[in-house]
Amino acid sequence: DTGVSQDPRHKITKRGQNVTFRCDPISEHNRLYWYRQTLGQGPEFLTYFQNEAQLEKSRLLSDRFSAERPKGSFSTLEIQRTEQGDSAMYLCASIGSGLYNEQFFGPGTRLTVL
Amino acid sequence: QKEVEQNSGPLSVPEGAIASLNCTYSDRGSQSFFWYRQYSGKSPELIMSIYSNGDKEDGRFTAQLNKASQYVSLLIRDSQPSDSATYLCAVNMGGSYIPTFGRGTSLIVHP
Repeated sequence: DTGVSQDPRHKITKRGQNVTFRCDPISEHNRLYWYRQTLGQGPEFLTYFQNEAQLEKSRLLSDRFSAERPKGSFSTLEIQRTEQGDSAMYLCASIGSGLYNEQFFGPGTRLTVL
Repeated sequence: QKEVEQNSGPLSVPEGAIASLNCTYSDRGSQSFFWYRQYSGKSPELIMSIYSNGDKEDGRFTAQLNKASQYVSLLIRDSQPSDSATYLCAVNMGGSYIPTFGRGTSLIVHP
């Protein structure tokens, strides 16, 4: 257990529905990242926060995806109008404020869109 | 486009052997390099980080970095069946705070 938690661990939804995932990073970590991973691929960057500021979003990220980190602690990732292509593992990772960029991943949320 | 390349494998080694996993990256200005282990259905787990040219050892694991040749490798000594997993290479290119991951190399250690 890295200390990063994600909820839910599994989500099955029907195409067109909205889903929201939550990530609680390690408490003293100020940077939080969201990734998507599909079978046979490495994690693909979606977005990241430093404290409550969203500093970068992937250009591949559809307008249907939005993320927040309102108080610089937990973060949520929402996908609106889900599509079958959104089925993937959604990973959250956090990094502390030190010199190094060692990321610690949560257990992930497995999304299946029917 | 900045890329991290790994052979997808599978790499199959007998128990007790040395497993050698390789990764190349495209950005000469890269500064931070990481190896993650990922078991099937689980999230990545950090096993090694390296920032300077040369070798870094931690138990049975050795990371090797050669910035001039733009590659980083991971050696696993005395491989065990429990080492069977996908190994992901990640690189922070050009001072970016966003690591780029390779596709991973599947390692199978057979008894």
